[in-house]
Amino acid sequence: QMTQSPSSLSASIGDRVTVTCRSSHNISNYVNWYQQTPGKAPKLLIYATSTLQTGVPSRFSGSGSGTDFTLSISSLQPEDFATYYCQQTYSTPQTFGRGTKVEIK
Amino acid sequence: QVQLQESGPGLVKPSETLSLTCNVSGDSMSGYYWSWIRQSPGKGLEWIAYISSSGSTDHNASLKGRVTLSLDTSKKQFSLKLRSVTAADTAVYYCAREDPSGYVTPWGRGILVTVSS
Repeated sequence: QMTQSPSSLSASIGDRVTVTCRSSHNISNYVNWYQQTPGKAPKLLIYATSTLQTGVPSRFSGSGSGTDFTLSISSLQPEDFATYYCQQTYSTPQTFGRGTKVEIK
Repeated sequence: QVQLQESGPGLVKPSETLSLTCNVSGDSMSGYYWSWIRQSPGKGLEWIAYISSSGSTDHNASLKGRVTLSLDTSKKQFSLKLRSVTAADTAVYYCAREDPSGYVTPWGRGILVTVSS
């Protein structure tokens, strides 16, 4: 239900990075974004499409509505190399995208 | 600050029941949903079920009714039972707190459960 792209990307420190999730139907703004590093649990970054979770750096942002949603990192930092997942909570069962792995170029 | 920790066997035999418990520390359980989510290479992140602080439950229909949840607020624990497991149920299982708005934070560290004879 949540088609996430790309599945992976290579980027350099300081680059702007964009990850996209597309839903097959209108899910309003019920989209959340998570970051996961190897061996760790996912960590909430953004909820309700664009609200930054407490403590998350302002270089992360989210946008979209309806069916198309975007996670952006304005200036990639070393600690941002990770896998990112979108999640829809508009309808049950809640579902996750397949992830975007952000790697160092 | 709330913290969650999963516990249970790391190896379960096919056709048996997977049983996990999540211990919650640092905050009250009231007002939230307490969830189980699993992650495997084949299926990615998959929401399993939740139980609310009042005891209502919901689960992923793809698990075909194999799920039972329980909650003990006095012990600050909630539990998952998944019956009739197969190799497809091998995954890292996370317990987590879900806000009524739907976002999930925090998560436990996760526990790898392998289904094998």
